[in-house]
Amino acid sequence: AQTVTQSQPEMSVQEAETVTLSCTYDTSENNYYLFWYKQPPSRQMILVIRQEAYKQQNATENRFSVNFQKAAKSFSLKISDSQLGDTAMYFCAFMKPSTQGGSEKLVFGKGTKLTVNP
Amino acid sequence: EAQVTQNPRYLITVTGKKLTVTCSQNMNHEYMSWYRQDPGLGLRQIYYSMNVEVTDKGDVPEGYKVSRKEKRNFPLILESPSPNQTSLYFCASSIPGLKDVGELFFGEGSRLTVL
Repeated sequence: AQTVTQSQPEMSVQEAETVTLSCTYDTSENNYYLFWYKQPPSRQMILVIRQEAYKQQNATENRFSVNFQKAAKSFSLKISDSQLGDTAMYFCAFMKPSTQGGSEKLVFGKGTKLTVNP
Repeated sequence: EAQVTQNPRYLITVTGKKLTVTCSQNMNHEYMSWYRQDPGLGLRQIYYSMNVEVTDKGDVPEGYKVSRKEKRNFPLILESPSPNQTSLYFCASSIPGLKDVGELFFGEGSRLTVL
């Protein structure tokens, strides 16, 4: 069974600075997807970034980027130029696609609570 | 507006009183899923459905039932709720196909308290 580990329950960063959230996972699969989801105080879950395991290039979405190390099974999220609106719980997640090619079970880590201070 | 709608958003009930949390999506998604979120445990999958009449257990299915009679609806049923089912519940749906794998659209959550 796949597991996802986020070793940092809480983190804080000053506005405009850079912060990195850690995530490791365990799987015997070769083809899979990794995600970071954000949950602000409103509780809404929002997809931040996605990485396909077969792609060596790290995914980037504006101020958000990942460092994907497949051999080490590591998938960290870097937030540059942190903003107050980045304050949220961040969840790392793993998914093995179904044989039909669509979504299947998504396994989440326990989350990292990030606070951006003014 | 594309959305996943859950009801009720908040509910306080008593042990043993059957309840249903409804979930409806208007995006014609084939994949739907239920998660529960508990402090320190993250989100854990309860059940998921790849299509109409196709459902499967997630990691924590005990005490829950689901049905998928039509594509847009995926209700979560607690036949005899117990206090350990007090939690925040999320319904989610997704587009099939490799391009959007894992991009789940979540409902706003249902806070359930079982006394």
